[in-house]
Amino acid sequence: NAGVTQTPKFQVLKTGQSMTLQCAQDMNHEYMSWYRQDPGMGLRLIHYSVGAGITDQGEVPNGYNVSRSTTEDFPLRLLSAAPSQTSVYFCASSYRTSGRNEQFFGPGTRLTVL
Amino acid sequence: SQKIEQNSEALNIQEGKTATLTCNYTNYSPAYLQWYRQDPGRGPVFLLLIRENEKEKRKERLKVTFDTTLKQSLFHITASQPADSATYLCALDGGAGNQFYFGTGTSLTVIP
Repeated sequence: NAGVTQTPKFQVLKTGQSMTLQCAQDMNHEYMSWYRQDPGMGLRLIHYSVGAGITDQGEVPNGYNVSRSTTEDFPLRLLSAAPSQTSVYFCASSYRTSGRNEQFFGPGTRLTVL
Repeated sequence: SQKIEQNSEALNIQEGKTATLTCNYTNYSPAYLQWYRQDPGRGPVFLLLIRENEKEKRKERLKVTFDTTLKQSLFHITASQPADSATYLCALDGGAGNQFYFGTGTSLTVIP
């Protein structure tokens, strides 16, 4: 199993550009989520999904969109990039939507918005 | 939401000693508390989970305690090794189970 994969690893955008961060998992996990990690802030939940066709907002959803058309894929879209979105983004998945299930994280995407 | 505080300072210890990391939370008590390890440039990796009705959980050299009265979890690494050097994160479920809250992490360095 490849686990959770993310592309790209690095990305530089100009303010106002849009892009999609890709996330895929091959473990047939129901639950998938996106976090951003900033120095001194820890991991903060952006959006999550409890299954195909179902998404919901996390702690910091503004400026981001998600969709979940398949169990495997959970892309994160930046609609109009802003310097405040410079961060490291992690995608994670787990078997079910419960705190008793461990989360598997991808390797991350380091995004810089100029 | 939940506020989570971990040791704000980096922790340096000598090889062979026991490292103790703290995770304090406010508001409601979670049903589950998880600990993760994160190496530089990598995603977090799950280590241990403890339930609210468990006082202690062990896995090899790792031990986690959970005190719902103090709203605190302690994470211990016994017989520490330089390879244990990393950032350790605690995570709590958000009550409904759909959201997880992470602490900012504690950076641990084990000195040979």
